[in-house]
Amino acid sequence: TQLLEQSPQFLSIQEGENLTVYCNSSSVFSSLQWYRQEPGEGPVLLVTVVTGGEVKKLKRLTFQFGDARKDSSLHITAAQPGDTGLYLCAGSSGSARQLTFGSGTQLTVLP
Amino acid sequence: DSGVTQTPKHLITATGQRVTLRCSPRSGDLSVYWYQQSLDQGLQFLIQYYNGEERAKGNILERFSAQQFPDLHSELNLSSLELGDSALYFCASSLRVGIGANVLTFGAGSRLTVL
Repeated sequence: TQLLEQSPQFLSIQEGENLTVYCNSSSVFSSLQWYRQEPGEGPVLLVTVVTGGEVKKLKRLTFQFGDARKDSSLHITAAQPGDTGLYLCAGSSGSARQLTFGSGTQLTVLP
Repeated sequence: DSGVTQTPKHLITATGQRVTLRCSPRSGDLSVYWYQQSLDQGLQFLIQYYNGEERAKGNILERFSAQQFPDLHSELNLSSLELGDSALYFCASSLRVGIGANVLTFGAGSRLTVL
């Protein structure tokens, strides 16, 4: 079973602060995705990374895939209350047909 | 609106009962996935269908079953319900088989409460 561990589990910060969320595994993934889920809604895909060392930017969000394709990070610059939500990483590999999701990081950005 | 429609949005039932959750995938998507999300287990993959055929099975209990119909909508049947089955059940759809760099679009979920 491929496991993805996310840290921290909960994060509460003030508007304008920076933060980093981590997604770690002992398994190698062919690709890794980040989703954000808001209350009452399903997860929404933010980004997919497929190459070791790849960095992708989405406005104030920066996603990085580890060189060994076992871990990933999400960095948010100058967080805003609209960034509040559950951030989920999900990985897939050639041996698995389905996505394995991490346990999530619940982010709260206070105004 | 993600384009993936799930009904019902909320469902309250008693232990021992049976319920059916319905999902209509996004237009053009052939693959449907079912996930269960609970507070202590996170988002768990249950089962995947592609164009009417089962393609992958995850942590789905024997009391649960699913199918995808010719019009591509899918139903998840949960029987002999237990308190621990209370959770959010999500359906997701995608165009191609396999995940890789594919895009998974989730519905808003069905919240099941078993009393």
